[in-house]
Amino acid sequence: AQSVTQLDSHVSVSEGTPVLLRCNYSSSYSPSLFWYVQHPNKGLQLLLKYTSAATLVKGINGFEAEFKKSETSFHLTKPSAHMSDAAEYFCVVMDPRAGRRALTFGSGTRLQVQP
Amino acid sequence: GAVVSQHPSRVICKSGTSVKIECRSLDFQATTMFWYRQFPKQSLMLMATSNEGSKATYEQGVEKDKFLINHASLTLSTLTVTSAHPEDSSFYICSAAGDRGPNQPQHFGDGTRLSIL
Repeated sequence: AQSVTQLDSHVSVSEGTPVLLRCNYSSSYSPSLFWYVQHPNKGLQLLLKYTSAATLVKGINGFEAEFKKSETSFHLTKPSAHMSDAAEYFCVVMDPRAGRRALTFGSGTRLQVQP
Repeated sequence: GAVVSQHPSRVICKSGTSVKIECRSLDFQATTMFWYRQFPKQSLMLMATSNEGSKATYEQGVEKDKFLINHASLTLSTLTVTSAHPEDSSFYICSAAGDRGPNQPQHFGDGTRLSIL
């Protein structure tokens, strides 16, 4: 079985300051991990993905995440927050075994960016 | 990048009505599509997995007779909420995955907000 825990339901930062959204996972095999962003009343947009290649993954809009197997973590970071980053962020683990690609979602972290 | 189109974006209808939601992959062939439900301020819950040309696989607790899924082509899956009631009001999101390997990410539609009066 696999699971994902997003440690913070809400994160508030000031514009221009760093962003850290925390995610821990549990999996009995080598997982594929993703971060998605959801703006209000919209679907999910892929920010970045980890699929057992480089442990530091760079995504869109200046976001990156580091896969740390020893800590079972996949935290999302950005050096400088923009107002447009305010949204809901989901950490997701995927079962890569053949024939099954359903996703397990974390509970989400709402990022607020203060001016 | 890959695009998934979901239609309609919003539906308001009376109790007892059946509602059909379409999910289309616009620039790739989606061998598998997924349907999710999202309650306010909550995460997405997988309802069913839809494979082209075969019956959908429903998650535990999801009524297959209430939520009918059809995946008749490699670019279209539909979810029909039959005889909808107010408790079916929710945000429904589809996603699609191609056939380029098991690690490929899913691409999401913009969702359908269903409101049953």
